Amino acid sequence: DTGVSQDPRHKITKRGQNVTFRCDPISEHNRLYWYRQTLGQGPEFLTYFQNEAQLEKSRLLSDRFSAERPKGSFSTLEIQRTEQGDSAMYLCASSRLETQYFGPGTRLLVL
Amino acid sequence: QKEVEQNSGPLSVPEGAIASLNCTYSDRGSQSFFWYRQYSGKSPELIMSIYSNGDKEDGRFTAQLNKASQYVSLLIRDSQPSDSATYLCAVNLGGTSYGKLTFGQGTILTVHP
Repeated sequence: DTGVSQDPRHKITKRGQNVTFRCDPISEHNRLYWYRQTLGQGPEFLTYFQNEAQLEKSRLLSDRFSAERPKGSFSTLEIQRTEQGDSAMYLCASSRLETQYFGPGTRLLVL
Repeated sequence: QKEVEQNSGPLSVPEGAIASLNCTYSDRGSQSFFWYRQYSGKSPELIMSIYSNGDKEDGRFTAQLNKASQYVSLLIRDSQPSDSATYLCAVNLGGTSYGKLTFGQGTILTVHP
């Protein structure tokens, strides 16, 4: 089995620009999760899909954030009008049962 | 009170010693508990999961769960310098086994030769 993959691994953008990240889960994992992690903190939950249905969104997820999982396979996370406070590591995880396996993350820097 | 709490450390132990990492959680109905290891600049890597009260051993790692005390711990025996990392406790809060994980802030472990 290949693991969870994320693209890009690093992204530098200017404040106000839109960015999109992609996550490909482990094959046959029907659950997919997005988290955000800042320095010195544990990952914080953003949103969760079961197949193509988005089952939960964190209150942290402002209107500038949107996530999709068309056809229940890969997922995208878009941030519109980025702010410096969006700088973080964005982590994707997938699971078939309880245990979540993380991808390598996308490190975002907003200048 | 944070929902999942860990001592941020740093915890420093000599090579070959036992490292003990602790975690408390707020929701008594929680069912699933996980320990992840995270090296600097990398993503979390699963070490162990535990669901029932008691001990669960996997190689040099032992997870301990006490639901009555709302406490989960990780013991690392024969600690090696390569164990130096941040250890994250994660919990499925509430009565569900799936869905979001809530993480503690992590404990930084340093194993010195």
